Amino acid sequence: AQKVTQAQTEISVVEKEDVTLDCVYETRDTTYYLFWYKQPPSGELVFLIRRNSFDEQNEISGRYSWNFQKSTSSFNFTITASQVVDSAVYFCALLPNTPLVFGKGTRLSVIA
Amino acid sequence: KAGVTQTPRYLIKTRGQQVTLSCSPISGHRSVSWYQQTPGQGLQFLFEYFSETQRNKGNFPGRFSGRQFSNSRSEMNVSTLELGDSALYLCASSLERQGRTGYTFGSGTRLTVV
Repeated sequence: AQKVTQAQTEISVVEKEDVTLDCVYETRDTTYYLFWYKQPPSGELVFLIRRNSFDEQNEISGRYSWNFQKSTSSFNFTITASQVVDSAVYFCALLPNTPLVFGKGTRLSVIA
Repeated sequence: KAGVTQTPRYLIKTRGQQVTLSCSPISGHRSVSWYQQTPGQGLQFLFEYFSETQRNKGNFPGRFSGRQFSNSRSEMNVSTLELGDSALYLCASSLERQGRTGYTFGSGTRLTVV
């Protein structure tokens, strides 16, 4: 079965704190892709990152970083020095040989 | 380049009516997928179209249908609306099938059934 678990339903942090959003996935496919999307109140899903199953390199993009570990089936997302504009719902998603499978999302609130 | 355009943004319908939602993908993208988002069920896959053919279908009743035109624009239709169909309907376009190069989502159509 293909499944994505985001155990954190809601997280609240004070501006400038670092925050990590957890994502654990299940798949029997050997080739798959992992994504993170951000959904602000406007509703649109904004693409943040894509990672394929053969590339376990961590990635940093500005204040964002991602840690992909196949051994633990995790693809965690860290925001450094959070800002109020980071407040949104964040979704982790898995693309095996079927359509995107989304986690339930983590609602992040950054308080000024 | 223009993003994924979904129309209308908001819609209120009465139980039993039918509704048609439209999605224009990014120019050059041939794959269009539809997702339903509700607070209880989260994001659920409805169907995927590629080159005017439905390639994959999620676990939704036959009241949900769709199609894709030769210009890659897609429509989805829901007949005999039920209160539980109230949701945000998101369309995503991709250059290729199954979105391995990534999906770009539209802003969605928020459907309220009363």
